[in-house]
Amino acid sequence: DTGVSQNPRHKITKRGQNVTFRCDPISEHNRLYWYRQTLGQGPEFLTYFQNEAQLEKSRLLSDRFSAERPKGSFSTLEIQRTEQGDSAMYLCASSEGGGNQPQHFGDGTRLSIL
Amino acid sequence: AQTVTQSQPEMSVQEAETVTLSCTYDTSESDYYLFWYKQPPSRQMILVIRQEAYKQQNATENRFSVNFQKAAKSFSLKISDSQLGDAAMYFCAWGDYKLSFGAGTTVTVRA
Repeated sequence: DTGVSQNPRHKITKRGQNVTFRCDPISEHNRLYWYRQTLGQGPEFLTYFQNEAQLEKSRLLSDRFSAERPKGSFSTLEIQRTEQGDSAMYLCASSEGGGNQPQHFGDGTRLSIL
Repeated sequence: AQTVTQSQPEMSVQEAETVTLSCTYDTSESDYYLFWYKQPPSRQMILVIRQEAYKQQNATENRFSVNFQKAAKSFSLKISDSQLGDAAMYFCAWGDYKLSFGAGTTVTVRA
């Protein structure tokens, strides 16, 4: 069990640029989640995958955000035309199937918009 | 809206003493799960303890235990024999597949 891996750890970019984050879940986990956490707040759900299928998207996920999980393994989260309000920590988590299974979180990717 | 409220932004505890963190939540569902997660500074979120809402028995995990009051929608966490390594932000969460988190309680442990 190598844990959930997220890359990069930090991303600094100018407003208007596109950014992409990667998440590698624990290998036997078929569920993958993305959350966003702003300073002093708890994580907020963005979206989740069951294998390669994206089953739910939060209303927080505007049209500028897109997430994929090709082949049901790693996932990417892309933000297009970044805005100041996108500055946050983006957390990825994975779990085995079933709602009672605990979610294991990665270290997160901290995004800073200049 | 389904929300989670942690009314204590910060709590301080003397090493070896006990501290209790409060959490209330709001949901219309009858079957769900409750969690406490710990997030040390600049480190990943770690599951501390979980509770299944249909179980009346309170969950325990070593020095960590919960007081689950389903009717009151209350889910407090008790940390016994506090240790320096317990210092972190603690988040209460509920959900099934997607989790709703509270704003967190920062716990400091005094040596």
